[in-house]
Amino acid sequence: DAMVIQNPRYQVTQFGKPVTLSCSQTLNHNVMYWYQQKSSQAPKLLFHYYDKDFNNEADTPDNFQSRRPNTSFCFLDIRSPGLGDAAMYLCATSLYPGLSTDTQYFGPGTRLTVL
Amino acid sequence: TQLLEQSPQFLSIQEGENLTVYCNSSSVFSSLQWYRQEPGEGPVLLVTVVTGGEVKKLKRLTFQFGDARKDSSLHITAAQPGDTGLYLCAGERSGGSNYKLTFGKGTLLTVNP
Repeated sequence: DAMVIQNPRYQVTQFGKPVTLSCSQTLNHNVMYWYQQKSSQAPKLLFHYYDKDFNNEADTPDNFQSRRPNTSFCFLDIRSPGLGDAAMYLCATSLYPGLSTDTQYFGPGTRLTVL
Repeated sequence: TQLLEQSPQFLSIQEGENLTVYCNSSSVFSSLQWYRQEPGEGPVLLVTVVTGGEVKKLKRLTFQFGDARKDSSLHITAAQPGDTGLYLCAGERSGGSNYKLTFGKGTLLTVNP
């Protein structure tokens, strides 16, 4: 089945130790998004790629970076995780954003713990 | 500024009861999506509504998009414990260069057996 896959599902890192989260998609969608979600809150958009074009949200800390080496894969790099970065990180994709019928499809998320 | 006001934030009911969750805004949305999210999982799309006044049904769930496309509701009939989860509404703004979904804060529903 076509889907959005995130690895790992659970990630534990130490304060200040860089970590990379991975997302892949078999939907061949143009756009890939990264969201941060804290407990029982709405997802907060960090940034997105439309094809190779990177779009950062104004309030996303510099500590968060992203790479999209090809259509299928997108990575979230946290350069120096702090305790406040512990959260669920969600990847989503969509085909034609801006079309009223466009839909975002979410992966299962990666739960990040910072010790 | 919270563009999408979702209410109630928390809801705990008994199995068999009916409930309605509301999503309201002063802004017009070209489409609105409802997701359900279970603990430790990503949001799963339930429905997308596009046309003002549109009503969609998914088994015991009924979704309505307001005539002016500024609000939406989700009604669950005869709720079951399996309906427990975080319900999120998310709207896409009119005006094609905006690729972002605006999320409501979510409604955490608990259905007790």
